[in-house]
Amino acid sequence: AQKITQTQPGMFVQEKEAVTLDCTYDTSDQSYGLFWYKQPSSGEMIFLIYQGSYDEQNATEGRYSLNFQKARKSANLVISASQLGDSAMYFCAMKTTDSWGKLQFGAGTQVVVTP
Amino acid sequence: NAGVTQTPKFRVLKTGQSMTLLCAQDMNHEYMYWYRQDPGMGLRLIHYSVGEGTTAKGEVPDGYNVSRLKKQNFLLGLESAAPSQTSVYFCASVGHLNQPQHFGDGTRLSIL
Repeated sequence: AQKITQTQPGMFVQEKEAVTLDCTYDTSDQSYGLFWYKQPSSGEMIFLIYQGSYDEQNATEGRYSLNFQKARKSANLVISASQLGDSAMYFCAMKTTDSWGKLQFGAGTQVVVTP
Repeated sequence: NAGVTQTPKFRVLKTGQSMTLLCAQDMNHEYMYWYRQDPGMGLRLIHYSVGEGTTAKGEVPDGYNVSRLKKQNFLLGLESAAPSQTSVYFCASVGHLNQPQHFGDGTRLSIL
């Protein structure tokens, strides 16, 4: 069975600092994809970044980067230069190639950015 | 550019009542999904569809039914609502499986 684990229920980070959100996954599949979504207090799910299991380079999207360590089965999200608008719940999710795109989500990490 | 639209946004039901949640997407996406989100948990898959006329069970399908009679619409039905189905429901769609899913804004459902 596949599983996504986010061990940090909540984090405080100061504005302009970087923060790392942990995500570990468990799968026996060789081909899979890892996603990070942001959910602000307004409730919508916003896609942030994607990493494929065969991608040789770590994914980056603006201030978001993914620290992908395949052997350790971890896909940590790094947010650089935090802004007040980054305060939100962050979810890590995984899909496998044969799963028809179904996503398995972690429990999420609540991030609060303080001035 | 509507994307994925869910109706209604809020609803309160009494135990035993039935209702249908509608998800509509205007991106011609093949794949559609229904998830529920409960406090302290990530989203969990209820049902999904890999094309018009097809549906399949996800992780937590009990108490729900779905239909996809038209490619752009994916309906989630509760035949006899129970308090345990109080949750926020999200619909999502994707055109190609290596792309991120697009989510609707969610439906907050309370069952008394």
